[in-house]
Amino acid sequence: GENVEQHPSTLSVQEGDSAVIKCTYSDSASNYFPWYKQELGKGPQLIIDIRSNVGEKKDQRIAVTLNKTAKHFSLHITETQPEDSAVYFCAADAGANSKLTFGKGITLSVRP
Amino acid sequence: DAGVIQSPRHEVTEMGQEVTLRCKPISGHDYLFWYRQTMMRGLELLIYFNNNVPIDDSGMPEDRFSAKMPNASFSTLKIQPSEPRDSAVYFCASSPLGLPGLALHFGNGTRLTVT
Repeated sequence: GENVEQHPSTLSVQEGDSAVIKCTYSDSASNYFPWYKQELGKGPQLIIDIRSNVGEKKDQRIAVTLNKTAKHFSLHITETQPEDSAVYFCAADAGANSKLTFGKGITLSVRP
Repeated sequence: DAGVIQSPRHEVTEMGQEVTLRCKPISGHDYLFWYRQTMMRGLELLIYFNNNVPIDDSGMPEDRFSAKMPNASFSTLKIQPSEPRDSAVYFCASSPLGLPGLALHFGNGTRLTVT
C-alpha cells in the first residue's frame, strides 16, 4: 500500500520568512496530493491540492510543487504569519481506489 | 453551511462501557469517512460510506468497532466494549466529489478517553 512520509516533524521559522514542508510517497500510481492544515482543537482543513498532470499550483501565499519522478511533493508558504502556526499533513491517494494515506504531520511554528 | 458536525466533542468513559460517536455530514456529500487520530499512528481511515453504503471497512481495528449510516444525514461509530487503547480523537469527514477521499471536509472531532 501507499506509504507517505513527512520530514522533519517540527519546523520553526521567523515571521515573514518562507517555510517549505516536504513529503515523499511510495506508490507510483498515486495521482492526487492534498495538503491539510490542522489547528488546535479542530479537524484538518484542506488548503491546497495538486494532481499528477501539473508540476506546481499556487494560491496566494501557498504553493505546492510535485516531482513525480522522485515521488515527492512540497508545500511552500511565503511571508509566514503567526496564524500559519499549525500541524500540516500531506496525503496521497492510492491510485485506482483513491483512498487517501496521510503523513504523520509536521508542526510549523512561526515566531513573531 | 454548518460544516460536518460531530458529537459529543469530548467523551470520557470507563473500560468496558459502550461508546457511540455521532456525525452529521454536509448536505449533498455522497461520501462519509471515519478517521482515528493518535500521536503514534497519525490519521487512520477506519471506514467509509458511499450513498449510505459501507464500501471499505478494512481499517476497523476489531469487531468491537461498528459503524452505521442509516440515512444521508447521520452516521454513528460505536465501540463496544471500549478499552483504554481506544483513546484517541475520532474524526468524521465528508466529500462532495465523485471519488472517495478527495476534498475531504472534516468535523472538529470527538476526543475519546477510556479509563
